[in-house]
Amino acid sequence: GAVVSQHPSRVICKSGTSVKIECRSLDFQATTMFWYRQFPKQSLMLMATSNEGSKATYEQGVEKDKFLINHASLTLSTLTVTSAHPEDSSFYICSARAGLASTDTQYFGPGTRLTVL
Amino acid sequence: LAKTTQPISMDSYEGQEVNITCSHNNIATNDYITWYQQFPSQGPRFIIQGYKTKVTNEVASLFIPADRKSSTLSLPRVSLSDTAVYYCLVGDPLRGSTLGRLYFGRGTQLTVWP
Repeated sequence: GAVVSQHPSRVICKSGTSVKIECRSLDFQATTMFWYRQFPKQSLMLMATSNEGSKATYEQGVEKDKFLINHASLTLSTLTVTSAHPEDSSFYICSARAGLASTDTQYFGPGTRLTVL
Repeated sequence: LAKTTQPISMDSYEGQEVNITCSHNNIATNDYITWYQQFPSQGPRFIIQGYKTKVTNEVASLFIPADRKSSTLSLPRVSLSDTAVYYCLVGDPLRGSTLGRLYFGRGTQLTVWP
């Protein structure tokens, strides 16, 4: 149980294009999903919190117009990197939390490797 | 926001017990302590979570002293496949918040040698 998937697992795109990454909770409903970014040899950096049916909450320094988040259902959240540039190349990871309590476990997806040429 | 401090790296041999200690001096009353494991190019995997005293599951034990200013993840009889980065996190301290945001520190790179 508690499986989170991401699609695609890796994507290569040209500079200036937009890329959409999907995060799905396969066997539970997730009221809250989180998006992280991880550069090589570095830790995960929380980008935003996605709540089903409401606007995402972005961490300081994360451009909400560049990283569009949609959480339209209890099992799906999407992250769209708009007008991607080489500096956006990174490992994007989502997580999903089943319960409403802040102590409920977050389950992470396998990540999406984005390379912008 | 509770900040955590862990050793950057640790080395061990197969079959040994490994203890990774994390300091979190500013932990809030409502915070839980959670440990995750991450292999290269994969998402983190939940290991164990606790609030106080001792918690044990099929893969690890978590020891938390009474003052909760630190915690120790104990991995019994490690194998080569336990080579990974281990993160210690404390929950979002915002009282009453349901967001539960997790802020990852640098983690501890554990290398298990044959």
